[in-house]
Amino acid sequence: DTAVSQTPKYLVTQMGNDKSIKCEQNLGHDTMYWYKQDSKKFLKIMFSYNNKELIINETVPNRFSPKSPDKAHLNLHINSLELGDSAVYFCASSQDVNWGVYNEQFFGPGTRLTVL
Amino acid sequence: GDSVTQMEGPVTLSEEAFLTINCTYTATGYPSLFWYVQYPGEGLQLLLKATKADDKGSNKGFEATYRKETTSFHLEKGSVQVSDSAVYFCALSGSWAGTASKLTFGTGTRLQVTL
Repeated sequence: DTAVSQTPKYLVTQMGNDKSIKCEQNLGHDTMYWYKQDSKKFLKIMFSYNNKELIINETVPNRFSPKSPDKAHLNLHINSLELGDSAVYFCASSQDVNWGVYNEQFFGPGTRLTVL
Repeated sequence: GDSVTQMEGPVTLSEEAFLTINCTYTATGYPSLFWYVQYPGEGLQLLLKATKADDKGSNKGFEATYRKETTSFHLEKGSVQVSDSAVYFCALSGSWAGTASKLTFGTGTRLQVTL
């Protein structure tokens, strides 16, 4: 009955490789997000999708490409991995994007990516 | 742009001590304010929230009051337990179109409670 799930939990890879992280939510939410948490625990939004459409794209290198096949899934593909990509990546979802009114975001357990 | 500043950690307290974690923010308009908690090895959970000035959010003995005059949202608990050991994040959600869905986080404060 996991609400927001991510796979894999841990990912260790070499520089230059391409990898994907998957996220699924079973809450029936319309909006999904990717956040990056660095080694100092600082959290920053990367992307947000609403009903499969991109609505937030922070200044993220274009090596990062989110893909939303349906509103329950938001995957993150990373090309040409770099050392600085090492971090914990969190997926989240919320009921809807309702401008001016916040909707609670539910977070997944995170994927720890280590680039060697 | 929007920003959140919270006190540096780690904060180490004995069980049953009083907890305060300071949080101040910079934002235009009337943001919503939140405290999230991250237990070891887990994702973030919403602890409490306040969506307008003078609102008090509360949950599990934790409280925080939205103070617009001081742009603050300090987290307090009267008597901490070992199980409260975690990292606490203050966050805001903007009030303008395009910012309402985006959470801006502080740097997190690690709390360690000992017996």
